[in-house]
Amino acid sequence: NAGVTQTPKFQVLKTGQSMTLQCAQDMNHNSMYWYRQDPGMGLRLIYYSASEGTTDKGEVPNGYNVSRLNKREFSLRLESAAPSQTSVYFCASRREDRLKETQYFGPGTRLLVL
Amino acid sequence: RKEVEQDPGPFNVPEGATVAFNCTYSNSASQSFFWYRQDCRKEPKLLMSVYSSGNEDGRFTAQLNRASQYISLLIRDSKLSDSATYLCVVNDEGSYGKLTFGQGTILTVHP
Repeated sequence: NAGVTQTPKFQVLKTGQSMTLQCAQDMNHNSMYWYRQDPGMGLRLIYYSASEGTTDKGEVPNGYNVSRLNKREFSLRLESAAPSQTSVYFCASRREDRLKETQYFGPGTRLLVL
Repeated sequence: RKEVEQDPGPFNVPEGATVAFNCTYSNSASQSFFWYRQDCRKEPKLLMSVYSSGNEDGRFTAQLNRASQYISLLIRDSKLSDSATYLCVVNDEGSYGKLTFGQGTILTVHP
């Protein structure tokens, strides 16, 4: 099992460019999440999807859109990148287990917006 | 006020030392509590869940005080490999697993 995979690993964009961050999980989890991590801020939730076909805003959704393409894939799109979106982006999926709930994270995408 | 607050450190301790991290959370409705570990430039990984009665996993002990809204992590006999950032994490019941993260506490264990 690959777990949670993300592409690309690194990306440099110019202000105003668009891009899509891809995420896939092979653990048959229902819930998936997108976070951003900035120095001194901790991880903050951008969007989440509780099940295939549903998406909801998290703490910092402005400037982003998401698509839950199927149970495996959850993509994050930046329509018009801004320098404030320079960050490390993590995708995660959730094992729903009353005894051992866990979120599994992908390796992250490092994004620099110039 | 941040929802989950941690002392960012850094904590620098020698091998074999005992070190404790504290965390407070503001939402009294929070139901689930976790410690995650994040190595430099890597993704967070679950270290342990925190249960009301306290729980231990080898050299790691986690405790929860709901009345004070306080969570702790104790690491005994520190190893070099324990060097990482430790993230305090809470989850509200019925929130579809939405996690709220503290900013993390940096631990460096030196020889």
